[in-house]
Amino acid sequence: KNQVEQSPQSLIILEGKNCTLQCNYTVSPFSNLRWYKQDTGRGPVSLTIMTFSENTKSNGRYTATLDADTKQSSLHITASQLSDSASYICVVDDMRFGAGTRLTVKP
Amino acid sequence: EPEVTQTPSHQVTQMGQEVILRCVPISNHLYFYWYRQILGQKVEFLVSFYNNEISEKSEIFDDQFSVERPDGSNFTLKIRSTKLEDSAMYFCASIAFGIQTQYFGPGTRLLVL
Repeated sequence: KNQVEQSPQSLIILEGKNCTLQCNYTVSPFSNLRWYKQDTGRGPVSLTIMTFSENTKSNGRYTATLDADTKQSSLHITASQLSDSASYICVVDDMRFGAGTRLTVKP
Repeated sequence: EPEVTQTPSHQVTQMGQEVILRCVPISNHLYFYWYRQILGQKVEFLVSFYNNEISEKSEIFDDQFSVERPDGSNFTLKIRSTKLEDSAMYFCASIAFGIQTQYFGPGTRLLVL
């Protein structure tokens, strides 16, 4: 059973709109939770890092939240751009990867 | 900006052959990782390496796999006898220390025929 589940599997939004991606995990305890952006055929690129005690972390238009009680994290993308089209991956403790959310931003 | 580099970018090999994938992590980084991603699937952790020894490994990382840091810059992944199911993109990554940004390399696409 996968310990990191992401939803939705895919998402299409219009340029300029906001969106929120979800990550539910069962790993406990854990040290850190990361969000990555991965373009097709490329290596993942770090967006945010949170320790188990942090609730929120921002990086430009990306804001990640973490609720350790419900074991949920979210990634909010503000004012989406065409270049945001990619897969977004949630990772717990550098070892447990979600399957990712495939985001497509359309003009 | 410093980056993780990997060679080769692509490798095609015959089943049963040995392959060595090479990585040059960012200098002064202390933690090193190998991951793989089968086409269309999620990234999977293989092994982490710190202070010249394996710190964690997954069940995928069986006796056919080994890692080495032969000098101060290179970090290699060896697959002794490749199988068809080893076909994947292999990513190397490194972290300076602690819970800091993890940098991934561009990957090596391995195809086993």
